[in-house]
Amino acid sequence: GQNIDQPTEMTATEGAIVQINCTYQTSGFNGLFWYQQHAGEAPTFLSYNVLDGLEEKGRFSSFLSRSKGYSYLLLKELQMKDSASYLCAVRDGTNAGKSTFGDGTTLTVKP
Amino acid sequence: NAGVTQTPKFRVLKTGQSMTLLCAQDMNHEYMYWYRQDPGMGLRLIHYSVGEGTTAKGEVPDGYNVSRLKKQNFLLGLESAAPSQTSVYFCASSYGGQANYGYTFGSGTRLTVV
Repeated sequence: GQNIDQPTEMTATEGAIVQINCTYQTSGFNGLFWYQQHAGEAPTFLSYNVLDGLEEKGRFSSFLSRSKGYSYLLLKELQMKDSASYLCAVRDGTNAGKSTFGDGTTLTVKP
Repeated sequence: NAGVTQTPKFRVLKTGQSMTLLCAQDMNHEYMYWYRQDPGMGLRLIHYSVGEGTTAKGEVPDGYNVSRLKKQNFLLGLESAAPSQTSVYFCASSYGGQANYGYTFGSGTRLTVV
């Protein structure tokens, strides 16, 4: 099975940088995803890592270390609209593409 | 394109009643999934399908059944609803098991069982 840990809550200031960590222990691994979920809405895909290293996409970057079972999502130049829950998800090693989700990190951006 | 559409968006059931949640996608995705999300908890996989006519159990399948008679539709059934099934249900789809762009989610069904 999969076990995924991420902080429950974080607070940051508008314009700042925040890093949300995710650690995982898995019996199989075929990629790590980050999703953003605003309150009352569906999750939306942010990023995907399958190899070690940093993937950058605009203000958002995601890093993966497979040997350490560790990932982080980096949000730069924070905006009020970035206040949301961020979900870390690990896809298993089967062909079914099943993902196990962490409980999510609720980020509050303050002025 | 509509993407993934879930119906209904809200529903209140009495204990013991049955209902079917419908998920429809127009992206020609092979893989479809049903998750539930409870307050303070992550999404938990109920059932999934890797193609038309196939279904399989996920992490929390008890009390639910599914069918995938057509590629674009994935139905989730509750035969005898219980208060523990009060949750937000999300349907998701993906082109394949190796896709690098994650799931596309529906907007969710908020179910309350009283």
